[in-house]
Amino acid sequence: DTAVSQTPKYLVTQMGNDKSIKCEQNLGHDTMYWYKQDSKKFLKIMFSYNNKELIINETVPNRFSPKSPDKAHLNLHINSLELGDSAVYFCASSRGTGAEAFFGQGTRLTVV
Amino acid sequence: GDSVTQMEGPVTLSEEAFLTINCTYTATGYPSLFWYVQYPGEGLQLLLKATKADDKGSNKGFEATYRKETTSFHLEKGSVQVSDSAVYFCARLTGTYKYIFGTGTRLKVLA
Repeated sequence: DTAVSQTPKYLVTQMGNDKSIKCEQNLGHDTMYWYKQDSKKFLKIMFSYNNKELIINETVPNRFSPKSPDKAHLNLHINSLELGDSAVYFCASSRGTGAEAFFGQGTRLTVV
Repeated sequence: GDSVTQMEGPVTLSEEAFLTINCTYTATGYPSLFWYVQYPGEGLQLLLKATKADDKGSNKGFEATYRKETTSFHLEKGSVQVSDSAVYFCARLTGTYKYIFGTGTRLKVLA
């Protein structure tokens, strides 16, 4: 059983397109996250949701819009994709009580 | 703001060598501290954690001790294996919902 699953694993698209990445967790966690990992492996938080409410938005461009239909899902929609959006995007979840976060396998986004 | 600093890589060791990867954190509050490992093409996996000063986290032969006096959480392993080759991330939890990661240290173990 996959704890945090995200789809697709790979996404290649042209500049200007709109795309979505889906994430689901079956751990019963209340908090979910999106992280961006650049080509140098640097991980930066983008968003954090707790009980479907946005609690962290780390100055991410408005082109990125997260949506949490329920506590088990946090999707990421990206409008007007740019070359600089190419990265690996990780979804994660946690109990939100100071415990560790669990990560998905990542979505490698390549914008051409 | 809060941050985590870990040693630059890559670190290249021979099999059975001793490993240390240094990690220090900004001393804001008493954060939970973590080490994560990322194998090629995979997501991050929790390696070990410590939630208060003097706690020692351990897993798969790896250890790290939460040192409040030096704001450090160095990762150690007595005898590395080729299968330990990966990128290792030190992280701290800021508040309840924000995990801050170091820049990652790539470890390469040669047979």
